[in-house]
Amino acid sequence: QKEVEQNSGPLSVPEGAIASLNCTYSDRGSQSFFWYRQYSGKSPELIMSIYSNGDKEDGRFTAQLNKASQYVSLLIRDSQPSDSATYLCAVKKAAGNKLTFGGGTRVLVKP
Amino acid sequence: DGGITQSPKYLFRKEGQNVTLSCEQNLNHDAMYWYRQDPGQGLRLIYYSQIVNDFQKGDIAEGYSVSREKKESFPLTVTSAQKNPTAFYLCASSMPGMQGYEQYFGPGTRLTVT
Repeated sequence: QKEVEQNSGPLSVPEGAIASLNCTYSDRGSQSFFWYRQYSGKSPELIMSIYSNGDKEDGRFTAQLNKASQYVSLLIRDSQPSDSATYLCAVKKAAGNKLTFGGGTRVLVKP
Repeated sequence: DGGITQSPKYLFRKEGQNVTLSCEQNLNHDAMYWYRQDPGQGLRLIYYSQIVNDFQKGDIAEGYSVSREKKESFPLTVTSAQKNPTAFYLCASSMPGMQGYEQYFGPGTRLTVT
């Protein structure tokens, strides 16, 4: 079992719809969770961080964390073609200062 | 402007040569990291440093070396012992303990070894 798992996609969504991305992790003691967006050929850009159970909203993005079920999700509302990218989930485990990254989910928003 | 710079953007080398990738940050972050990304894959940690003059191996350190002589700089050397060095190399920094260990990335160096 991978430490951080994501569906590789592609997740195809029509413009204006909601894109829903999921990420599961294996270390129950994990404390901090991050979503990065990576455009093709570019470096990852931090878009959301979440540390406690529940929802956190930032513009069109909502991160949801459920520590009991060990998953974190990202919702992108009113998806735009410019949201087409790979989204990486990253988790900080209980011990150490490192982040562990999932393989990423590729999102395609079709006009 | 505060940020992380990596140079060069593209690097081409012949097999058997060592090559050093530069990473500089002016964010006053204590911790710095090197990752490798292969096509269609996530990020794999090579080395990281939480303080000057100290660094630890990540998950795939074999064939790589680093130094941390200054807080701002964390160069990575890809040695001839690295069997598959062609990849996209990403440097990141963070301030552990603040903001939950968020890491910020440089623009990356794409290394091609033939």
